[in-house]
Amino acid sequence: AQSVTQLGSHVSVSEGALVLLRCNYSSSVPPYLFWYVQYPNQGLQLLLKYTSAATLVKGINDFEAEFKKSETSFHLTKPSAHMSDAAEYFCAVSSFGNEKLTFGTGTRLTIIP
Amino acid sequence: ETGVTQSPTHLIKTRGQQVTLRCSSQSGHNTVSWYQQALGQGPQFIFQYYREEENGRGNFPPRFSGLQFPNYSSELNVNALELDDSALYLCASSLALGGGAGELFFGEGSRLTVL
Repeated sequence: AQSVTQLGSHVSVSEGALVLLRCNYSSSVPPYLFWYVQYPNQGLQLLLKYTSAATLVKGINDFEAEFKKSETSFHLTKPSAHMSDAAEYFCAVSSFGNEKLTFGTGTRLTIIP
Repeated sequence: ETGVTQSPTHLIKTRGQQVTLRCSSQSGHNTVSWYQQALGQGPQFIFQYYREEENGRGNFPPRFSGLQFPNYSSELNVNALELDDSALYLCASSLALGGGAGELFFGEGSRLTVL
């Protein structure tokens, strides 16, 4: 069975500050890992994904995430927060040959002006 | 390129009723997945359809059923609605290339309220 745990249901950062959203996964097989963003009243948009290539993955809007097998983590970072980054962020896991995603419970990111 | 579209966007039903939600997949995609997102929770996988056949199912009872049509559009049907079925239902389409990890493109969802 696979699962993800997102630490912190709410995160607030000041505009221009570093964004760090935490995700730990559990998987009995090599995982594929994803970060999705959900803006109010919208569907989910893929930010980035890890599929066993480079461990540092760059995504859209200057987001990136690093796969650390030893820590079973896939934390999402952005060097400088913008007001437009305010949204709900979801970490998700799947496995090779399987496009069925298991999502975490999400982290709501608030940007303080 | 047309994205994933879902209808209706909002609907209200009463307990015991039945509901059908519809999804048009993105052009060129052959796989449709449905997810249920309860308030304050992450999406939960309901089932996936590939070439009109169910290709995996999550932990949902049989009163949740689906269809995929030859044009790859899809329906989600829920019978005997319960209050806990109130949620945002998300449809996602993808192009199954084998090996998984294909990007899922999500629609904006259908928000179901059961009274």
